[in-house]
Amino acid sequence: DAKTTQPNSMESNEEEPVHLPCNHSTISGTDYIHWYRQLPSQGPEYVIHGLTSNVNNRMASLAIAEDRKSSTLILHRATLRDAAVYYCILRGGSQGNLIFGKGTKLSVKP
Amino acid sequence: DTAVSQTPKYLVTQMGNDKSIKCEQNLGHDTMYWYKQDSKKFLKIMFSYNNKELIINETVPNRFSPKSPDKAHLNLHINSLELGDSAVYFCASSQDGFRAFFGQGTRLTVV
Repeated sequence: DAKTTQPNSMESNEEEPVHLPCNHSTISGTDYIHWYRQLPSQGPEYVIHGLTSNVNNRMASLAIAEDRKSSTLILHRATLRDAAVYYCILRGGSQGNLIFGKGTKLSVKP
Repeated sequence: DTAVSQTPKYLVTQMGNDKSIKCEQNLGHDTMYWYKQDSKKFLKIMFSYNNKELIINETVPNRFSPKSPDKAHLNLHINSLELGDSAVYFCASSQDGFRAFFGQGTRLTVV
């Protein structure tokens, strides 16, 4: 599985947008980009996934670079409840396992 | 209704014991997984189980064995527990391979 690189930590203010970056320069043509988050003392939670086009859902938006070597998870208005570790994961279609990296620990200040 | 449930939530046991962690999913998913999260917070896949096909991460000791009595359950049995087995274990399930649902975790402490 191709590797992803994320900042170790980020800070945001409540009610402001947050852009969480992920680099995946060795991504292959069949790799989907998945984002999960893990709130304190909870299991990971699915956020969003995409292949080439930008994606939106009720939780977040996923912006994928044209060359697919990077992507950005966008939380439009951060809340205190969004404080979590966010994982960017590459996965080949529906096959293969989710391989978690270190993720980005997001702190949200009131 | 909890989609993926694990029991127990906490488990404290002595070295050398044998223990089991149960996992049930009520989502009708075909694939279930076990993950281990160590003290450094790294999440590592241990097993995936799909239609009676078991895929094992080769780094998992053979003291760990998943058992699936039916499609909705994937239990984790651990023999001869060691101090290094202390971790949080997460069960997960998925149908389409794109979205996995995780349980709340079982914190295992071996003393």
